[in-house]
Amino acid sequence: EAGVVQSPRYKIIEKKQPVAFWCNPISGHNTLYWYRQNLGQGPELLIRYENEEAVDDSQLPKDRFSAERLKGVDSTLKIQPAELGDSAVYLCASSFNKGFASTDTQYFGPGTRLTVL
Amino acid sequence: GQQVMQIPQYQHVQEGEDFTTYCNSSTTLSNIQWYKQRPGGHPVFLIQLVKSGEVKKQKRLTFQFGEAKKNSSLHITATQTTDVGTYFCAADAGGTSYGKLTFGQGTILTVHP
Repeated sequence: EAGVVQSPRYKIIEKKQPVAFWCNPISGHNTLYWYRQNLGQGPELLIRYENEEAVDDSQLPKDRFSAERLKGVDSTLKIQPAELGDSAVYLCASSFNKGFASTDTQYFGPGTRLTVL
Repeated sequence: GQQVMQIPQYQHVQEGEDFTTYCNSSTTLSNIQWYKQRPGGHPVFLIQLVKSGEVKKQKRLTFQFGEAKKNSSLHITATQTTDVGTYFCAADAGGTSYGKLTFGQGTILTVHP
């Protein structure tokens, strides 16, 4: 079974430039997550999708960040314009929501390491 | 908002020594998960604890969930160099936050051969 795929793996941009990250979840997983992980910290949830619907985007900085999950499969996270403080690893994860009150195992992709100069 | 604290932040051990990391939540949890992240890697799921007082074992790893469901621990017996990495707890407060994991800051384990 293929894991979560993310691209690119690394990205270096100058501040004020736009950047986009792509994620392909594990086949059949209906829930998709975007996390940001700063150096020395745990992942922080940015947005969670159930199929095509964003069910939790409370921690997404909406002035510059946007995300979409068309057709309920692949997802794209965009930052425009990027700031120095956006340098971090952006992780995508997916899970299969069984539909009852149990937290599902999340499978993480390798992440995209973003450096903003 | 929910806060999850992990201690210690770093732990250096000699191979063969034991290791424990602790996780404490400011709120009662629905469940807690543990993840391991190797240097340069991504978090990998280890286990989920759901019941009050639950204890689960995976070979040399022992996971506990507190009676009040507000704290948890991970204990590794006789560490090996392959145990090197950062161990994260991830808490689910349940209710309207069901499915949302709040990660601790992690404990970085180094093992000297």
